[in-house]
Amino acid sequence: DAGVIQSPRHEVTEMGQEVTLRCKPISGHDYLFWYRQTMMRGLELLIYFNNNVPIDDSGMPEDRFSAKMPNASFSTLKIQPSEPRDSAVYFCASSFSGAGNTIYFGEGSWLTVV
Amino acid sequence: ILNVEQSPQSLHVQEGDSTNFTCSFPSSNFYALHWYRWETAKSPEALFVMTLNGDEKKKGRISATLNTKEGYSYLYIKGSQPEDSATYLCAFSSNFGNEKLTFGTGTRLTIIP
Repeated sequence: DAGVIQSPRHEVTEMGQEVTLRCKPISGHDYLFWYRQTMMRGLELLIYFNNNVPIDDSGMPEDRFSAKMPNASFSTLKIQPSEPRDSAVYFCASSFSGAGNTIYFGEGSWLTVV
Repeated sequence: ILNVEQSPQSLHVQEGDSTNFTCSFPSSNFYALHWYRWETAKSPEALFVMTLNGDEKKKGRISATLNTKEGYSYLYIKGSQPEDSATYLCAFSSNFGNEKLTFGTGTRLTIIP
């Protein structure tokens, strides 16, 4: 069974450019999470969805960040315009509410903004 | 704001030695405590989920305990091997939105051959 699939795995972009990160959750999972991993702050929850509806976006750093989940099998996290301080690993994860809330992670998108 | 703290931040252990590290979390409104193992460039992998005070879980040489009254969990690794080198993350969920995990910053473990 395929796990959570993220793309791109690595992205290097220039400051000011738009970045779009993509995620395909595990089929049948009803929760989808976007986390950001930095050395200073560890894994921070940015936003999460339940049945494609955003539930809590309080972790989204500012208006430059937006996330969508148009259907159960796809989500995007967009940064526009990107800044060097956005450089981090962005993880997408999914879970199934009936299974003890274990979250399954993708391999992450490694973003560098120069 | 939920505070989940892990110590130590990093640890070097000789191959064959045993080790342990700590996760502390809020003791009120507790729902579950999770442990994950993360090797760089891979997905964080779930190790354990514990929900009851006094829970002990074991997976091979790795085990974990839980004290919800005082708000801490220990992860133990017996007879460390080089493949145990990774960052170990704990995560707390509360009764208010138990699907949402708040992570600590992790303990980075390096096993010295």
